Amino acid sequence: QSALTQPRSVSGSPGQSVAISCTGTSNDVGAYNFVSWYQQRPGRAPKLMIYDVIKRPSGVPDRFSGSKSGNTASLTVSGLQAEDEAEYYCCSYAGTYSLVFGGGTKLTVL
Amino acid sequence: EVYLLESGGGLVQPGGSLRLSCAVSGFSLSDYAMTWVRQVPGKGLDWISTISLSGDTSSYAHSVKGRFTISRDNPKNMLYLQMDSLRAEDTALYYCANDWAPHGVGATPDYWGQGTLVTVSS
Repeated sequence: QSALTQPRSVSGSPGQSVAISCTGTSNDVGAYNFVSWYQQRPGRAPKLMIYDVIKRPSGVPDRFSGSKSGNTASLTVSGLQAEDEAEYYCCSYAGTYSLVFGGGTKLTVL
Repeated sequence: EVYLLESGGGLVQPGGSLRLSCAVSGFSLSDYAMTWVRQVPGKGLDWISTISLSGDTSSYAHSVKGRFTISRDNPKNMLYLQMDSLRAEDTALYYCANDWAPHGVGATPDYWGQGTLVTVSS
């Protein structure tokens, strides 16, 4: 049950695109198409942004997209906006009702 | 509207016990796997436990296995987390969350409550 590996921080200017990686193993990210991404602002509960690797819940801007290759998933935020500044966490199903989260990535909009 | 409200947190001494509750509304609890996640203030998210729709299957993180017990009461729309043998490192904000997919395996926490704070200290 080791945490998924995410970069501690990423940054970009308004309008640019940034990608956040999430590396797991063949027992979690690589085994299931159940990778989700969460946005968390200070003092708030996490908000689901991407599920099943690539799907967006209703209401999430299409500037947010997900992908996966092997044991690594990625969240891409295109057309950065100031409101995107937050902490982002990836999460993967790891079998038999178990989950594993990444350590979190601080996205800074310059 | 989906709503989850955690309660039961507080200050407890090491070795003590607490029972967290999660009251849900806006959806039928019996249709969704449910998950507890905790977060030390200023730190990352830490999966604790997930329970199946009927409650007959559950999983736990290694760090809490044997000390914490997840359960549910579907008719009462309540989820619980019994926490025993508490340690200082269990100090955190505890969230409950429902699965995104009805009748799923708890693969995607969807809506989250605002959390209840547990502090383990003498």
